[in-house]
Amino acid sequence: EPEVTQTPSHQVTQMGQEVILRCVPISNHLYFYWYRQILGQKVEFLVSFYNNEISEKSEIFDDQFSVERPDGSNFTLKIRSTKLEDSAMYFCASYPRGQAIQYFGAGTRLSVL
Amino acid sequence: LAKTTQPISMDSYEGQEVNITCSHNNIATNDYITWYQQFPSQGPRFIIQGYKTKVTNEVASLFIPADRKSSTLSLPRVSLSDTAVYYCLVGDPRNSGNTPLVFGKGTRLSVIA
Repeated sequence: EPEVTQTPSHQVTQMGQEVILRCVPISNHLYFYWYRQILGQKVEFLVSFYNNEISEKSEIFDDQFSVERPDGSNFTLKIRSTKLEDSAMYFCASYPRGQAIQYFGAGTRLSVL
Repeated sequence: LAKTTQPISMDSYEGQEVNITCSHNNIATNDYITWYQQFPSQGPRFIIQGYKTKVTNEVASLFIPADRKSSTLSLPRVSLSDTAVYYCLVGDPRNSGNTPLVFGKGTRLSVIA
């Protein structure tokens, strides 16, 4: 069964450093998302991406965040200058047209020290 | 988006049937009901989706009464590996590509040997 893959599974970084989280969505899906989940809290929407541009973003997704689909298969989330409060699980999801189902990756655990 | 309400937690013994009910009083005509499962440190995983009456797949059944103001996820004969958080979401699949999923706190199911 096709799946969304995310790398790395765990990323440790120092506060103020840039990180890039990578995702390979399911190949025929058209819509892509990033969510995050702080330990013990709800899954929160960050940003959605369609047709090579951001279609919606939450208030969490400030100027420190950016997304890119550099080569038609990878989908990346960049945090320019990480803060302690960015420590969380980050999930990528993709969505095929015509279904109300999003397929999630296993996530990247980001630890900011 | 229709607001959903579900129990915070439930406990069950192995081998029992578990029913988790979700209330969605403001569900719209075109909304579908979708359930996701999330294991610790993993992304949410689609379980089942329905519009009305009953839907069954290899994992679960979903019961939706005629007024559609609630739904019940039924897990037959649970095992320890069914211990997870279960989320009920409501949305219109025609818009879902452009609409992020809004997760509540879900129902934390603990299966006991």
